[in-house]
Amino acid sequence: GQNIDQPTEMTATEGAIVQINCTYQTSGFNGLFWYQQHAGEAPTFLSYNVLDGLEEKGRFSSFLSRSKGYSYLLLKELQMKDSASYLCAVSGYYGGATNKLIFGTGTLLAVQP
Amino acid sequence: DGGITQSPKYLFRKEGQNVTLSCEQNLNHDAMYWYRQDPGQGLRLIYYSQIVNDFQKGDIAEGYSVSREKKESFPLTVTSAQKNPTAFYLCASRRQGVNSRDTGELFFGEGSRLTVL
Repeated sequence: GQNIDQPTEMTATEGAIVQINCTYQTSGFNGLFWYQQHAGEAPTFLSYNVLDGLEEKGRFSSFLSRSKGYSYLLLKELQMKDSASYLCAVSGYYGGATNKLIFGTGTLLAVQP
Repeated sequence: DGGITQSPKYLFRKEGQNVTLSCEQNLNHDAMYWYRQDPGQGLRLIYYSQIVNDFQKGDIAEGYSVSREKKESFPLTVTSAQKNPTAFYLCASRRQGVNSRDTGELFFGEGSRLTVL
């Protein structure tokens, strides 16, 4: 099967650091994505991990452990505009079909002053 | 500019009517996807296609149909068999061959919001 779990909601303070976790189960893992989505808009790409370790891109970092089926997105120096949903998505081989890309339900992050 | 275009942005449909949502990309991407998003929910996969003239069912394909006659186009038809079609529909594409492990970033269109009256 292919299950992706992430917290439903999180709250953090402007200027702080927040970590959003994602755990997954998939057949034939082929990459993990993080996307940001503001209400009513399409998701925008944040990061992609296919090998274990940390990928850093400005204020955003994403970590992957394939053996644990675990990833996190780290947001530093939080700004009010970071208030959005953060979606974890996993690409994998499923039932003979290649590269099926499945999203988690998303984590709604509220950044407070 | 290269990108992925969905139309219409807003659509109203009467019960019992079929409706087709358009998705066109000029990114030369092999793979295309259709997702549905309900309020406060994540994205659920309806159908996807990795190559022209081939497509696979996602997790919620019932009541939907697709075609992939051209690389650039992947239209989604919401049929009258779909019992609860009111939702936000997102089309996406990425550079992906059938046997390639180079997955590439997933590019989204702006979405189509369908409301059944």
